[in-house]
Amino acid sequence: EAQVTQNPRYLITVTGKKLTVTCSQNMNHEYMSWYRQDPGLGLRQIYYSMNVEVTDKGDVPEGYKVSRKEKRNFPLILESPSPNQTSLYFCASSQRGSYYGYTFGSGTRLTVV
Amino acid sequence: AQKVTQAQTEISVVEKEDVTLDCVYETRDTTYYLFWYKQPPSGELVFLIRRNSFDEQNEISGRYSWNFQKSTSSFNFTITASQVVDSAVYFCALKGGGSNYKLTFGKGTLLTVNP
Repeated sequence: EAQVTQNPRYLITVTGKKLTVTCSQNMNHEYMSWYRQDPGLGLRQIYYSMNVEVTDKGDVPEGYKVSRKEKRNFPLILESPSPNQTSLYFCASSQRGSYYGYTFGSGTRLTVV
Repeated sequence: AQKVTQAQTEISVVEKEDVTLDCVYETRDTTYYLFWYKQPPSGELVFLIRRNSFDEQNEISGRYSWNFQKSTSSFNFTITASQVVDSAVYFCALKGGGSNYKLTFGKGTLLTVNP
């Protein structure tokens, strides 16, 4: 089944403790992206990647890092999480080109206390 | 810069009523794509429809229909004879021709269908 898999689904952590949210896709998509969803703000892009070793900032990159060492994986790293990073996170992948929609993961609900 | 506006933050209807969700967009691209996604209470994002900027035909799929009007930069979504299972947050989104391939989302409309 074609899918984007995110882990974990739920995570509660403490301020400053480094964490990684994993994202993997099995569709051989070149393009991958991370979004965060907050009430009243919709979904905002954090980082994206056009291909292996090619990443760039989205609209709200502060406090996040990403890497793309393999085509299928695009982890999101929070090196020193803070409470304002409490959010619902989505990973998405797509074929390159404006025509294609995104396939989204199931989401990761992160709480930083 | 691209922008998507969903002016309705929340809508509440009674089952079997028709409801229209508004979406207005801004882009300088001549080629672009518009999307609607549904987010039920379980949280996942479910793709509903894609429409490209060259195709202004309205589309109907069961109880769902979409009205794309380039002249007013609108891409509205109507649910006919709403059902409780339609309760969800609905997002309109825009993808332009830029190299980012970014999907720009509106802030969403929370639809509650009451029995």
